[in-house]
Amino acid sequence: SAVISQKPSRDICQRGTSLTIQCQVDSQVTMMFWYRQQPGQSLTLIATANQGSEATYESGFVIDKFPISRPNLTFSTLTVSNMSPEDSSIYLCSVTPGAGSGYGYTFGSGTRLTVV
Amino acid sequence: AQSVTQLDSQVPVFEEAPVELRCNYSSSVSVYLFWYVQYPNQGLQLLLKYLSGSTLVKGINGFEAEFNKSQTSFHLRKPSVHISDTAEYFCAVSWANAGKSTFGDGTTLTVKP
Repeated sequence: SAVISQKPSRDICQRGTSLTIQCQVDSQVTMMFWYRQQPGQSLTLIATANQGSEATYESGFVIDKFPISRPNLTFSTLTVSNMSPEDSSIYLCSVTPGAGSGYGYTFGSGTRLTVV
Repeated sequence: AQSVTQLDSQVPVFEEAPVELRCNYSSSVSVYLFWYVQYPNQGLQLLLKYLSGSTLVKGINGFEAEFNKSQTSFHLRKPSVHISDTAEYFCAVSWANAGKSTFGDGTTLTVKP
């Protein structure tokens, strides 16, 4: 399965600033996903990032707040913009090797963000 | 819409005892089912998955799960747990060809000596 390198692994940021999270995969993958895991909670899908097109955002998430880039089949970034303490979460990048959903996800180790 | 319910938020168990983590799902169409494990301060790792065929699926680390279509359940089991199995476990469901999954709220498994 794919190996994902996600960075930074953690950060403490001031409110009002932005943080860009990087996700590097060791092989080409069709679909990349960004999830948020708020403290003590499950995973919530932010958006699906496909190479060559704009990301598809889930309800409650907007591009101005969470801009995503997907310049090629092995890399993606998620920016958390104009941060507030409510954005404190773990952000996870994940991939699936095929276009279908039967493959399951491989996850990065996550970025633990604390906004103060 | 599809949803996933993990019936137990916390499961404490003694080492070498059997364990079952329960997961029910709801969906009007066929789905794929998954279990993931998250160790402290790490990302999620796929334990096992059910796509079709045999209803009993075996995964890594000695875990297995049984798909029960009539009860819309996908419970995870291990006959004898170790301290190292202490982690958060997530059940997830995907529509076929939809790419994305819906996750349950997670079950914290704590294995005590």
